[in-house]
Amino acid sequence: GEDVEQSLFLSVREGDSSVINCTYTDSSSTYLYWYKQEPGAGLQLLTYIFSNMDMKQDQRLTVLLNKKDKHLSLRIADTQTGDSAIYFCAESINTDKLIFGTGTRLQVFP
Amino acid sequence: DTAVSQTPKYLVTQMGNDKSIKCEQNLGHDTMYWYKQDSKKFLKIMFSYNNKELIINETVPNRFSPKSPDKAHLNLHINSLELGDSAVYFCASSRGGSGYGYTFGSGTRLTVV
Repeated sequence: GEDVEQSLFLSVREGDSSVINCTYTDSSSTYLYWYKQEPGAGLQLLTYIFSNMDMKQDQRLTVLLNKKDKHLSLRIADTQTGDSAIYFCAESINTDKLIFGTGTRLQVFP
Repeated sequence: DTAVSQTPKYLVTQMGNDKSIKCEQNLGHDTMYWYKQDSKKFLKIMFSYNNKELIINETVPNRFSPKSPDKAHLNLHINSLELGDSAVYFCASSRGGSGYGYTFGSGTRLTVV
């Protein structure tokens, strides 16, 4: 089945690392994505990882994939106030549609 | 230049009316989509078109009818609007095939009163 779950809220202090977690159920996922949505805006693709990879790093972002446990995480190093947004993980399967997670609202306080 | 543009950005209308949302992409992508985001921020695919052909049609009421005059445009027409249709509707496009990700429009906030 298609089900992608995330925790709803995360609050971190500026300068700390943030870790946003995601679990999915469909083992046939080919790519997994992280999107960022700022208030009143559309979705911005942050990064993606192919399902046969364990890790991908892109500047302050690190994606970890545990395919056995169907667990995906996004680590943001040195979190800034501008990182405050809703973060969605998403999986794509063969049908080329994205199944989005429930979204995690990240709040960064000074 | 905006890659995926939707109009209007805001739409307030009464129950029972018919309305359309337009979407255009200038990225040369083959596939376009409509997604619905409800008040709890859940995002769910509604339709996808590849080169003007309907590929995905999720469980969406018949009152919603997408139309793709060419591969750069995908419009969404909604008949007999209901209160529950209030949401943010996002258009997106992709080159097709997993891995390319999507480019999303900035959304149309539809409020039915």
